[in-house]
Amino acid sequence: GAVVSQHPSRVICKSGTSVKIECRSLDFQATTMFWYRQFPKQSLMLMATSNEGSKATYEQGVEKDKFLINHASLTLSTLTVTSAHPEDSSFYICSAGTGADTQYFGPGTRLTVL
Amino acid sequence: AQKVTQAQTEISVVEKEDVTLDCVYETRDTTYYLFWYKQPPSGELVFLIRRNSFDEQNEISGRYSWNFQKSTSSFNFTITASQVVDSAVYFCALSYFSNSGYALNFGKGTSLLVTP
Repeated sequence: GAVVSQHPSRVICKSGTSVKIECRSLDFQATTMFWYRQFPKQSLMLMATSNEGSKATYEQGVEKDKFLINHASLTLSTLTVTSAHPEDSSFYICSAGTGADTQYFGPGTRLTVL
Repeated sequence: AQKVTQAQTEISVVEKEDVTLDCVYETRDTTYYLFWYKQPPSGELVFLIRRNSFDEQNEISGRYSWNFQKSTSSFNFTITASQVVDSAVYFCALSYFSNSGYALNFGKGTSLLVTP
């Protein structure tokens, strides 16, 4: 099956710094990718839809200036958490799909902000 | 509106017991897809099954089985003869069209603990 990778898998940073997370579709092209966030012991919540060559679409309550998404190619989407704070500590997962019945998830990135 | 409800927050069973995880969904779509994922402590989502709205056949895969009933909008998951390795959080999810692609709406998850 198709593979989606994420890098880094784990990152620890100081409050106020910015962190970039990469999501790559390794063997297929993805015009649309999704970014989810999962707080400890909670469910996955959709943050934004990443569209190749255009602006991302953010879910209600997600600050677009804080979570910058760039989808510059058909195989790469990046999520940058700007000026990270401890409340941004979470598990971030990306996904790409080729239709309603197909979803490929990355392995996730665990962000800890000190 | 799309909604997935997993009423069981935590379940604890002893090894070899059977356990059923419940999932109830709401959607206005006539065509939709339902999923079950396993999330071990590592965090990575493990795909278990996908079911489309037109296929109500129950499915069995080894010790796993799924019961899809449109009449009650339920898609329940049963593990037979549970094992310690089955301990994880299990998510039921429903696909929906979001902006320019299909995203998943996840239930809150059921944490399963299987003890020896």
